[in-house]
Amino acid sequence: IAGITQAPTSQILAAGRRMTLRCTQDMRHNAMYWYRQDLGLGLRLIHYSNTAGTTGKGEVPDGYSVSRANTDDFPLTLASAVPSQTSVYFCASSDSDGGLNEQFFGPGTRLTVL
Amino acid sequence: GQNIDQPTEMTATEGAIVQINCTYQTSGFNGLFWYQQHAGEAPTFLSYNVLDGLEEKGRFSSFLSRSKGYSYLLLKELQMKDSASYLCAVMDSNYQLIWGAGTKLIIKP
Repeated sequence: IAGITQAPTSQILAAGRRMTLRCTQDMRHNAMYWYRQDLGLGLRLIHYSNTAGTTGKGEVPDGYSVSRANTDDFPLTLASAVPSQTSVYFCASSDSDGGLNEQFFGPGTRLTVL
Repeated sequence: GQNIDQPTEMTATEGAIVQINCTYQTSGFNGLFWYQQHAGEAPTFLSYNVLDGLEEKGRFSSFLSRSKGYSYLLLKELQMKDSASYLCAVMDSNYQLIWGAGTKLIIKP
């Protein structure tokens, strides 16, 4: 693995189904983030984690949950998908212990909820 | 509320110079980032400004004026591969990034 990976690349999901988007990084970054990107809108933060074992809510957390059991993995779960959750989802990570705090992004997951 | 404004779309000619502006109003300021995003791909980091002034990186430069809540990204000697969206983001007082909607830059031969 080099950088951040996300799975699946794309998914079509029936409304009401449960779905987990996976994110793994190998850079030993302490902070990780989940964003959604919709046409005409900026990236919007869903949830974040500043370090393993802690999580926080972003701008648009409703309908989503996350966990951070270890440094590398940060899965995002949609408990009961709705069509408004159709979006492109990006996972990102950063080394927030001083320095630039630049965020590195995974390739994204394109999710369609019907 | 927090707000980042940038033009929706710009067009420029190959070999020319283009300036993409960004204005912001945020709760606190801990730096401003510019990212490039090609269609269907992830954003990638271009530049970071935390102090007023110009930061130059090859063909790309970024300027910041904190008192005016203003930044611009300057791209010189435009190439066709520079066709992409350019995202402005400000790190607020909670060290979270607030993102603009992005500027789609179209380069014509």
